[in-house]
Amino acid sequence: DTGVSQDPRHKITKRGQNVTFRCDPISEHNRLYWYRQTLGQGPEFLTYFQNEAQLEKSRLLSDRFSAERPKGSFSTLEIQRTEQGDSAMYLCASSLVPGETQYFGPGTRLLVL
Amino acid sequence: GESVGLHLPTLSVQEGDNSIINCAYSNSASDYFIWYKQESGKGPQFIIDIRSNMDKRQGQRVTVLLNKTVKHLSLQIAATQPGDSAVYFCAENIGAGGTSYGKLTFGQGTILTVHP
Repeated sequence: DTGVSQDPRHKITKRGQNVTFRCDPISEHNRLYWYRQTLGQGPEFLTYFQNEAQLEKSRLLSDRFSAERPKGSFSTLEIQRTEQGDSAMYLCASSLVPGETQYFGPGTRLLVL
Repeated sequence: GESVGLHLPTLSVQEGDNSIINCAYSNSASDYFIWYKQESGKGPQFIIDIRSNMDKRQGQRVTVLLNKTVKHLSLQIAATQPGDSAVYFCAENIGAGGTSYGKLTFGQGTILTVHP
């Protein structure tokens, strides 16, 4: 257990539905990252926060995706109008400061039917 | 685009042998490299890291070697155990000053299987 928690661990949804995932980083970690991982691939960067500020978004993050970290602690990732191509493992990581070790949570596995 | 890649997608060893997992990177601005272990259904687990001002770093049963000349990274696991069976990823962090500092770029991964 790295100290990063994610909820839910698994989510099955029908195409077109909205889903929201939550990440609780290690306490006092300023940086929070979201990655997406598909089968057989390494994680791909989606977005990151420095405290409550979202500093960068990947081109992978379409307009249907939105992430927040309102109080600089936990973060949510919402996917609207899910598509089958959104099926993946969504990973959250946190680090104390930029450039330091990122610790990953267990991930949320999303299946869109 | 620049990326991190692995030479060997699978590695099969006997328990007690030493394992070496290789990784090539192409971003010369990267200053920090990390090895992660990922077991099925779990998130990546930090193993060991190394900064670009070093060429070797040792942990418990693991050693990471960095060759900046040829942009190559390797993970050595001594006395490999069945519990080491997992997918291993190398990841790089682009150097300070860039807008993406802190973002990790991962390779595809190497599947390590340890036979008892």
